Amino acid sequence: EVQLVESGGGLAQPGGSLRLSCAASGFTFSSYAMTWVRQAPGKGPEWVSSISGNGGTTYHADSVKGRLTISRDNSKNTLYLQMNNLRAEDTAIYYCARDWAPTAYWGQGTLVTVSS
Amino acid sequence: EIVMTQSPATLSLSPGERATLSCRASQSVSRNLAWYQQKSGQTPRLIMYDASTRATGLPARFSGSGSGTEFTLTISNLQSEDFAVYYCQQYNNWPYPFGQGTKLEIK
Repeated sequence: EVQLVESGGGLAQPGGSLRLSCAASGFTFSSYAMTWVRQAPGKGPEWVSSISGNGGTTYHADSVKGRLTISRDNSKNTLYLQMNNLRAEDTAIYYCARDWAPTAYWGQGTLVTVSS
Repeated sequence: EIVMTQSPATLSLSPGERATLSCRASQSVSRNLAWYQQKSGQTPRLIMYDASTRATGLPARFSGSGSGTEFTLTISNLQSEDFAVYYCQQYNNWPYPFGQGTKLEIK
């Protein structure tokens, strides 16, 4: 059974940093691209970043380029999202998902709140 | 960047009726279009991909159609569990934006 479990969310100040993690199990992690999708309160999902199975190719939405960085450690079956220079508009539930798109497997999400 | 526009924003129907949800892309996405269903407090669930392929376990009352820039999700004989928010997403060109959603509510 595919399982994706996010962690690392919480309260951060504007300009601060957080690192999200997503622990994957139930499939051969290195064989699949992975994606971060976020959803602000009361809004629709927003694709954030994706990374290839070997980590060699990454894509980021323009709204997060230079501030949020996706990476992975295939030896640990873990996906990461390094979040720097956080803004209020980054407040959202962050989901990790398997594959580029469409994404059939999602974690339950971790809440990031950016506020002073 | 491709923009996805869904209509209507809200659709009020009764159980047993047919729902027709639209999704328009600002440029052609071929048939690289997915639909997701999200119920309150839950994670989005993939229900349709490649415009018209139902995800595993999805009832046949759900159907998808379209190509290029115009797509439709049709749900016939609405059941109580179908009332939710539906999002489309294109995956033809990076980035892969979602539409703003259509809320299907009970009339």
